[in-house]
Amino acid sequence: EAGVAQSPRYKIIEKRQSVAFWCNPISGHATLYWYQQILGQGPKLLIQFQNNGVVDDSQLPKDRFSAERLKGVDSTLKIQPAKLEDSAVYLCASTKAGGSQETQYFGPGTRLLVL
Amino acid sequence: GDSVTQMEGPVTLSEEAFLTINCTYTATGYPSLFWYVQYPGEGLQLLLKATKADDKGSNKGFEATYRKETTSFHLEKGSVQVSDSAVYFCALLTGANNLFFGTGTRLTVIP
Repeated sequence: EAGVAQSPRYKIIEKRQSVAFWCNPISGHATLYWYQQILGQGPKLLIQFQNNGVVDDSQLPKDRFSAERLKGVDSTLKIQPAKLEDSAVYLCASTKAGGSQETQYFGPGTRLLVL
Repeated sequence: GDSVTQMEGPVTLSEEAFLTINCTYTATGYPSLFWYVQYPGEGLQLLLKATKADDKGSNKGFEATYRKETTSFHLEKGSVQVSDSAVYFCALLTGANNLFFGTGTRLTVIP
């Protein structure tokens, strides 16, 4: 079974530019998560989707971050405009149904550096 | 609010030494508890989990017991190997399906 796929793996941009990340969850997984992992810290949830609907986006900085999962499968996370403090690894994870005891499976992440 | 406090690293051990990485949590309700591992250059992988009090999760020689009375989920391994060198994250999953991570502990095992 293929795991969670993410691209690109690395991205370097200048501040005030925009960037987009892509995630393809495990086939059949209804729930998708985006996390931000700043160097030296644990991942922090940005947004959670159930199929194509948003379940929780309370930690998403909506003035610059947006995410969508239009067909309930792939998802994109966008930052516009980027700030220096957005430098981090962006992780995507998925679960089959989002149940309370389900294991989240993580992709390899996209490492973003904002200069 | 819900949170995880994890032993700060880095931790350096000789091969075959005993490992303990401490993890305590604060949560309302009855969370599930996890240890994730991140090997160099790779994504987060589930190492083990426990879903209720007194459960013991185990995998690859690692163990952790869900202790409700001390709100702890310490990770242990009796004899570490060089290949165990990685960053270890303790995490809790709330009833609202929010996964809260600790800050991670970097383990280096030297031959």
